[in-house]
Amino acid sequence: DTAVSQTPKYLVTQMGNDKSIKCEQNLGHDTMYWYKQDSKKFLKIMFSYNNKELIINETVPNRFSPKSPDKAHLNLHINSLELGDSAVYFCASSQIRGGAHEQYFGPGTRLTVT
Amino acid sequence: AQSVAQPEDQVNVAEGNPLTVKCTYSVSGNPYLFWYVQYPNRGLQFLLKYITGDNLVKGSYGFEAEFNKSQTSFHLKKPSALVSDSALYFCAVKNANNLFFGTGTRLTVIP
Repeated sequence: DTAVSQTPKYLVTQMGNDKSIKCEQNLGHDTMYWYKQDSKKFLKIMFSYNNKELIINETVPNRFSPKSPDKAHLNLHINSLELGDSAVYFCASSQIRGGAHEQYFGPGTRLTVT
Repeated sequence: AQSVAQPEDQVNVAEGNPLTVKCTYSVSGNPYLFWYVQYPNRGLQFLLKYITGDNLVKGSYGFEAEFNKSQTSFHLKKPSALVSDSALYFCAVKNANNLFFGTGTRLTVIP
């Protein structure tokens, strides 16, 4: 079974559209994350979500919003997509409380905005 | 704030030779350090971590890393490189509840 899964794997859309990426983890972890990897492969934390506490990287535009229906899911909604949003988005999870701290990553969603 | 640096964008090594991928860190307090590998079109895979204890940490696929407090380094090593080790390697440090990643080092193992 895949530990951290994301859908879709590829997403091609036009500027101005609104889209969502879904993430699910079956590891029982208490914390989930979203990362953005740009064309130079730099990885940047966007959000972390732990026990209903959302920590936002202040550089992330408010067009991006994470939504967590339950502990196992953290979806990413993006409004009014821009060309610069094109990147690979990774979901991850980890066990913070009493855990080992390493994060486990999903396979990524390649978003292309045209 | 915690940070890591990977001074080499690219490392080339011949198959069968030992490999080293460098990482230095800057932290306040005790560091939690990690190495991840990313194969093309895949997510990151956890290789190993240092939290406390023995300075030599062993991880997946025959990789190990040495924590050196005086040099603030956490270099990734493998005694004998395989062509299949060719990938992008990231060093990371725990920063609050997140990980701060280095810029990555592309390892190419030449047959």
